[in-house]
Amino acid sequence: DTAVSQTPKYLVTQMGNDKSIKCEQNLGHDTMYWYKQDSKKFLKIMFSYNNKELIINETVPNRFSPKSPDKAHLNLHINSLELGDSAVYFCASSQGTSGRPEQYFGPGTRLTVT
Amino acid sequence: GENVEQHPSTLSVQEGDSAVIKCTYSDSASNYFPWYKQELGKRPQLIIDIRSNVGEKKDQRIAVTLNKTAKHFSLHITETQPEDSAVYFCAALTAAGNKLTFGGGTRVLVKP
Repeated sequence: DTAVSQTPKYLVTQMGNDKSIKCEQNLGHDTMYWYKQDSKKFLKIMFSYNNKELIINETVPNRFSPKSPDKAHLNLHINSLELGDSAVYFCASSQGTSGRPEQYFGPGTRLTVT
Repeated sequence: GENVEQHPSTLSVQEGDSAVIKCTYSDSASNYFPWYKQELGKRPQLIIDIRSNVGEKKDQRIAVTLNKTAKHFSLHITETQPEDSAVYFCAALTAAGNKLTFGGGTRVLVKP
């Protein structure tokens, strides 16, 4: 009965590789997000999708490309990984269009680039 | 854009005492202010929130107050327990775009 799930939970990879993180929510929400939490615990939004449409795109390198095949899924693909990409990536969702702004987070994916 | 400042960055309290965390925001159009608790290695969990048309909200041992004029809001935890130890984040939602801007977090340690 997990509300927001992510895979994988841990990802260890070498510089230059390409990797993907997947997110799914079963809350019936129409808006999904990707956040990055750095080593100092600072949480910063990267992207937001509403009904498969990109609505927030922060100043994130082009190597990061989100994809939303349907409103229950939001994936994050990262090309040419760099050491500075090491962080915990959280997916979240909300029912943004109906006056219900509460965001619920997935368990996170800890990405380590070596 | 919105900027959220959170203080203090660390807070150590004795079990049973109260803890207060304060946040200020810059965008007067922000209208929703959630608080998240993040335990070590876990996801941020929504613990309480307040909307701009309300000045105070309480849920058992936690309460949040909002001063729109001064653009600041606070989290109050009473009768703290060791399981309250975690990092707490405040956030503000801009009126447009559903964008949550987070404060820098407060690491709370409740000593038994």
